[in-house]
Amino acid sequence: EAAVTQSPRNKVTVTGGNVTLSCRQTNSHNYMYWYRQDTGHGLRLIHYSYGAGNLQIGDVPDGYKATRTTQEDFFLLLELASPSQTSLYFCASSDGDWGGNYAEQFFGPGTRLTVL
Amino acid sequence: KTQVEQSPQSLVVRQGENCVLQCNYSVTPDNHLRWFKQDTGKGLVSLTVLVHENDKTSNGRYSATLDKDAKHSTLHITATLLDDTATYICVVGDRGSALGRLHFGAGTQLIVIP
Repeated sequence: EAAVTQSPRNKVTVTGGNVTLSCRQTNSHNYMYWYRQDTGHGLRLIHYSYGAGNLQIGDVPDGYKATRTTQEDFFLLLELASPSQTSLYFCASSDGDWGGNYAEQFFGPGTRLTVL
Repeated sequence: KTQVEQSPQSLVVRQGENCVLQCNYSVTPDNHLRWFKQDTGKGLVSLTVLVHENDKTSNGRYSATLDKDAKHSTLHITATLLDDTATYICVVGDRGSALGRLHFGAGTQLIVIP
């Protein structure tokens, strides 16, 4: 059973619209991440969290908010969506420890967002 | 500035052929390097992680090398199958824990044809 799930899988909205992307992990991991993937670019980190109630800013945070409500759930919020935010969004989780796995991140299947 | 460059951008091979994917990076420090496979419409799945200078790893038909002096890695796929069609992404971590950042390449799109 998939350990990182995302919803919705596809979303279309209009410029100025309000969008919430959801992510749930059942890995019991402390760390969760939101990335965007655009053609010709590597994945870029938007926000991440190391526990419920915690939020850290990533490399491309402008226009995005995030909230970690529980260890399992991490949400990405676009309050005034713009066409530049059309992208494929991935959520990931990791245990963050020095466990020998180099904090391997486990990815969800992605959400394709289109902003018209 | 892109710190992880992958080549080629895309590659078409016939089923059964071997192929080699390249990754050059400028990330410093370079704690580890991981190769991921991304099937179309799916998330990234780790294939292997390389840590030490001149590391070599093997995972079935996938094998990888790392040259930290040259900041270069290769991913070899032998006897390709149609299911190998995917994007392969090279990722360099600047630390061995979640305190570090991951630097992602844009990927090599591999297409395996019958």
